[in-house]
Amino acid sequence: QKEVEQNSGPLSVPEGAIASLNCTYSDRGSQSFFWYRQYSGKSPELIMFIYSNGDKEDGRFTAQLNKASQYVSLLIRDSQPSDSATYLCAVKKGAQKLVFGQGTRLTINP
Amino acid sequence: GAVVSQHPSWVICKSGTSVKIECRSLDFQATTMFWYRQFPKQSLMLMATSNEGSKATYEQGVEKDKFLINHASLTLSTLTVTSAHPEDSSFYICSASGTYKAQYFGAGTRLSVL
Repeated sequence: QKEVEQNSGPLSVPEGAIASLNCTYSDRGSQSFFWYRQYSGKSPELIMFIYSNGDKEDGRFTAQLNKASQYVSLLIRDSQPSDSATYLCAVKKGAQKLVFGQGTRLTINP
Repeated sequence: GAVVSQHPSWVICKSGTSVKIECRSLDFQATTMFWYRQFPKQSLMLMATSNEGSKATYEQGVEKDKFLINHASLTLSTLTVTSAHPEDSSFYICSASGTYKAQYFGAGTRLSVL
């Protein structure tokens, strides 16, 4: 079992709809979770982090964490073509390292 | 805030030469920096963790004599690919640990070894 798992996609969503990206992790003791966006040929860019169970909202983005189910998700409201990218879920391991999922490729269709 | 600068962005070199990549945290002090490698359509692969003033910790399978890492100050870490060969061609990305323990990434360096 991979430490962090994501559906590789591609996930195709019409413009203006809600995109839902999911991630599961294997270490029940994990405390810190991050979502990064990576455009093709570019480096990852931090979108959000979440530490507590529940929802955390930042603009059009909402991160959701359920530690009991070992599940973290990212919702993107009012999806725009510029949101088309690969989204990486990352879980902190130990004091410093991040473990990344394989990423979900998201395409927003105009 | 949390800006990480990485140079160069592109480098082409001949087989057998060495290449140095710099990673700087511009607006915060980074006690820990990380070096990743990414092949096309694959996720990030952590190569090593670099702590200021101490030796880097390399991930299993990464040759420390080939990928030399120096973290001489709180704002600068360097990765030197020694005696580069075509199989070392890849996208190398650094990151620095900043506020809220998140990692902030540099723009990456695309290395092509001829």
